[in-house]
Amino acid sequence: NAGVTQTPKFRILKIGQSMTLQCTQDMNHNYMYWYRQDPGMGLKLIYYSVGAGITDKGEVPNGYNVSRSTTEDFPLRLELAAPSQTSVYFCASSYSTDSDEQYFGPGTRLTVT
Amino acid sequence: DQQVKQNSPSLSVQEGRISILNCDYTNSMFDYFLWYKKYPAEGPTFLISISSIKDKNEDGRFTVFLNKSAKHLSLHIVPSQPGDSAVYFCAAILQGAQKLVFGQGTRLTINP
Repeated sequence: NAGVTQTPKFRILKIGQSMTLQCTQDMNHNYMYWYRQDPGMGLKLIYYSVGAGITDKGEVPNGYNVSRSTTEDFPLRLELAAPSQTSVYFCASSYSTDSDEQYFGPGTRLTVT
Repeated sequence: DQQVKQNSPSLSVQEGRISILNCDYTNSMFDYFLWYKKYPAEGPTFLISISSIKDKNEDGRFTVFLNKSAKHLSLHIVPSQPGDSAVYFCAAILQGAQKLVFGQGTRLTINP
């Protein structure tokens, strides 16, 4: 099992550009999550999904969009990149919720200039 | 509104000694707590968890203690090893909320 994979590892965007961060898991997990981590801060939830076709907002959803067309994939879309979106982005998955641990990908470091 | 707080950004401990990482929370409805460990350039990995119905959970060198009345939990690592040097995040879940709430993290450095 590869677990949770994320691409790209690094990306530099200009203000106003758009991009999609890819996330794939091969553990047949129902739940998937996107977090961002700013320096010296904890992880903040952007969006999450409880299954294919179902997504919901987290704590900091503004400026992002997601889709979940398959169990395996959960891409995160930035439409108009802003410097405030400079961060490290982590995708995670879990089989269910409550006490189930989440498995994280290695992260994507995004810089918007 | 920081519902989960780790007030120590960093901690330095001698190899072989005990490391104690602390976490405070404000929401008494949290019913499950987890600790994650993160190395540079990697995603967080699950370390240990505890349900709110318990006050202690142990796994090898790692023990988590929960004090519900004080809304405080701590992670004890004994003995500390150089490979334990990492950032440690405390996280909490509201039952049925499907979302983890993370603290800011504590950078632990184990000195030889």
